[in-house]
Amino acid sequence: DTGVSQDPRHKITKRGQNVTFRCDPISEHNRLYWYRQTLGQGPEFLTYFQNEAQLEKSRLLSDRFSAERPKGSFSTLEIQRTEQGDSAMYLCASSFVAGAGIEKLFFGSGTQLSVL
Amino acid sequence: AQSVTQLDSQVPVFEEAPVELRCNYSSSVSVYLFWYVQYPNQGLQLLLKYLSGSTLVKGINGFEAEFNKSQTSFHLRKPSVHISDTAEYFCAVSDSWGKLQFGAGTQVVVTP
Repeated sequence: DTGVSQDPRHKITKRGQNVTFRCDPISEHNRLYWYRQTLGQGPEFLTYFQNEAQLEKSRLLSDRFSAERPKGSFSTLEIQRTEQGDSAMYLCASSFVAGAGIEKLFFGSGTQLSVL
Repeated sequence: AQSVTQLDSQVPVFEEAPVELRCNYSSSVSVYLFWYVQYPNQGLQLLLKYLSGSTLVKGINGFEAEFNKSQTSFHLRKPSVHISDTAEYFCAVSDSWGKLQFGAGTQVVVTP
């Protein structure tokens, strides 16, 4: 069990550029979540997957954000035409749940995005 | 809709003193409550969770929390803190699909 890994750890980009982050969940975890955290705030839900199906996307998420989990394993989060307000820590978490149960989430260390 | 309010943004405490972090929630459905801790430059880790059953929940590192339905609270306590408990603590409420709604966090600073 190597934990949830996220890549890159840090990303600096210019406004208007596209960025993509990757999350590798714990092996065999069927649920994968993306959160965003800004300074002084708790993590904010963005979207989540059950296997390869994206089950929910936050209403706060603009159309510039898209996430995929093509084979039900790793996931990518893409932000198009980045804005300075997108600067935040992007967190990925995973869990294994049978059915619609509740299990603890395992979080990665996050990707820190800075948009200049 | 679910939401969580953490009443203290920062709690300074001396080493070996007790600490209590306050959390109030609102939820229109079944309540599943969690406390997570975030150490500097690390990912969030689960301290404890309440899903059902006993209202007093014991977690890792000597922490415990009590679910109080009438007061809609889930306060976190530790009787004696260590320097290593310096971290940010997040209370969260979950829906039935495991989606967490976090509070804004409480920064605990332990000094000798």
